[in-house]
Amino acid sequence: ILNVEQSPQSLHVQEGDSTNFTCSFPSSNFYALHWYRWETAKSPEALFVMTLNGDEKKKGRISATLNTKEGYSYLYIKGSQPEDSATYLCAFVTGGGNKLTFGTGTQLKVEL
Amino acid sequence: DTAVSQTPKYLVTQMGNDKSIKCEQNLGHDTMYWYKQDSKKFLKIMFSYNNKELIINETVPNRFSPKSPDKAHLNLHINSLELGDSAVYFCASSQRDRGAFFGQGTRLTVV
Repeated sequence: ILNVEQSPQSLHVQEGDSTNFTCSFPSSNFYALHWYRWETAKSPEALFVMTLNGDEKKKGRISATLNTKEGYSYLYIKGSQPEDSATYLCAFVTGGGNKLTFGTGTQLKVEL
Repeated sequence: DTAVSQTPKYLVTQMGNDKSIKCEQNLGHDTMYWYKQDSKKFLKIMFSYNNKELIINETVPNRFSPKSPDKAHLNLHINSLELGDSAVYFCASSQRDRGAFFGQGTRLTVV
């Protein structure tokens, strides 16, 4: 059983705050690490796909870093907005890219 | 045009019945998956297919049988439904080195 853990489980921040969450995963059999955003009543949508140790990805106010040697990835949101409220999932990819094991997610709520 | 579509969106059925959920993707992806979302919103992989071949089968009761007639379709058939099968089931597809695309989910309720 692959252990993919995310912390914190939930987070409430004020509009304008910057925040970050952690995804930890096994440091062996690594193929890729994905981040997804999952809004209520919708389906998860991919934010980032990271494959190399030291990768950094950015999309607008959201960015992510990857450390495959120690088995963790951080997701950062700068200047949080209410529309950022969602559950953020990471997925540890193994099996040559054929198996995505999801973490339990971090539920973010951004308040005005 | 919906990238990954699964039907039906809602399914209410009685214990003991057999039902199917269909999934189709028009993205040309090689890999398709079925995930079960549990009561805590956790996504647990059930099956993974690559080019119609079963790659991953995660300790799922054999009442669940996936079928992939071609690489664009992955259907899930469930025999002898039980109360504990009630959940939201998500189909997804991906291409190597890219993120997965998910269907809208099928909420199965067994009564």
